[in-house]
Amino acid sequence: GIQVEQSPPDLILQEGANSTLRCNFSDSVNNLQWFHQNPWGQLINLFYIPSGTKQNGRLSATTVATERYSLLYISSSQTTDSGVYFCAVERASGNQFYFGTGTSLTVIP
Amino acid sequence: ETGVTQTPRHLVMGMTNKKSLKCEQHLGHNAMYWYKQSAKKPLELMFVYNFKEQTENNSVPSRFSPECPNSSHLFLHLHTLQPEDSALYLCASSQPSYNEQFFGPGTRLTVL
Repeated sequence: GIQVEQSPPDLILQEGANSTLRCNFSDSVNNLQWFHQNPWGQLINLFYIPSGTKQNGRLSATTVATERYSLLYISSSQTTDSGVYFCAVERASGNQFYFGTGTSLTVIP
Repeated sequence: ETGVTQTPRHLVMGMTNKKSLKCEQHLGHNAMYWYKQSAKKPLELMFVYNFKEQTENNSVPSRFSPECPNSSHLFLHLHTLQPEDSALYLCASSQPSYNEQFFGPGTRLTVL
């Protein structure tokens, strides 16, 4: 399979702070997604970003496929941003997603 | 109803019970997936269906039996489970040629 590593594993932020989450992957990929899992377990789509940069409000993401990494930026964090952030990649050779181990984010007021 | 729905949301069962999890997607997708998420572990892909045909089975024990009667519905039949099968079971769907996946809310399963 493909190895997907996320860093940092845990992050505690003061409300209003900015952060960068990283996703490294070990092989060529067709697709990459970022998700936010809320405390109830629901996975919410943040970005579908196999390459390039996208922005959505306070969140943005960049994927550099040739260097096998993706970054998720959270600006002006809010307590509702708390939860676990996962990246998932689909390898170039098949229809299967591999998830990273996640970054657990806690935003404190 | 929109998106991907799953029922039940919570399930407690004994090791000798038989139960089924249901997933329904209202997005017009043709691929559906079952994932298992155990505590403190990444999501593990269990099964993939494309146009109702199973295309992936990641060495899942036979006590888990999937069924996909059409592109909108996916079931996971459970029988003689073990306590270590307790986990969050997530269903997802996508278009096969454009693989952005959308997830349901999950079923939290506890096996006693």
